[in-house]
Amino acid sequence: EAGVVQSPRYKIIEKKQPVAFWCNPISGHNTLYWYLQNLGQGPELLIRYENEEAVDDSQLPKDRFSAERLKGVDSTLKIQPAELGDSAVYLCASSPRRGSYNEQFFGPGTRLTVL
Amino acid sequence: AQKITQTQPGMFVQEKEAVTLDCTYDTSDPSYGLFWYKQPSSGEMIFLIYQGSYDQQNATEGRYSLNFQKARKSANLVISASQLGDSAMYFCAMGRGSRLTFGEGTQLTVNP
Repeated sequence: EAGVVQSPRYKIIEKKQPVAFWCNPISGHNTLYWYLQNLGQGPELLIRYENEEAVDDSQLPKDRFSAERLKGVDSTLKIQPAELGDSAVYLCASSPRRGSYNEQFFGPGTRLTVL
Repeated sequence: AQKITQTQPGMFVQEKEAVTLDCTYDTSDPSYGLFWYKQPSSGEMIFLIYQGSYDQQNATEGRYSLNFQKARKSANLVISASQLGDSAMYFCAMGRGSRLTFGEGTQLTVNP
């Protein structure tokens, strides 16, 4: 079974430029997460989808960040315009169901560097 | 609000020895889950072990065991017989429903 796929793995951009990250979750997983991980810290949730609905986006900086999950499968996270402080690893994760025990399967992440 | 604290930024252990990574948490919810993830230098988060707040027994998965002390709000990870491949960042996380809150991690180095 294929794991969570993310692309690109690395991205370097100039500040004020737009950038987009793509995630393909494990087949059949209804729940999809985007996390931000700063260097030396644990991941922080940005947004959670149940199928195509964003059910938890309270931590998403909506002035510059947007996300979509059309058809409830793949997802794209966008930043426009990027700032220096956005340099971090963006992790995508998926899980098969809701519930109190909710193991999340993570992708390898996209490392963003904003110059 | 939920909070996870990992007080050991770095830990060193000799190969084949056991090591304990500390984790304390704070929550007012009676129902929650505690997770440990491993993050090697490749960046992917790998699930290791889970403990439910109502579980009576400590969770074990192979060489990993979770020392759950509910009254002290601690959920320490014990790795027995350390291997060189165990060198990585280790994150403790607490979950309620579908939201996970992670600690800041502990960098474990296994020396030959």
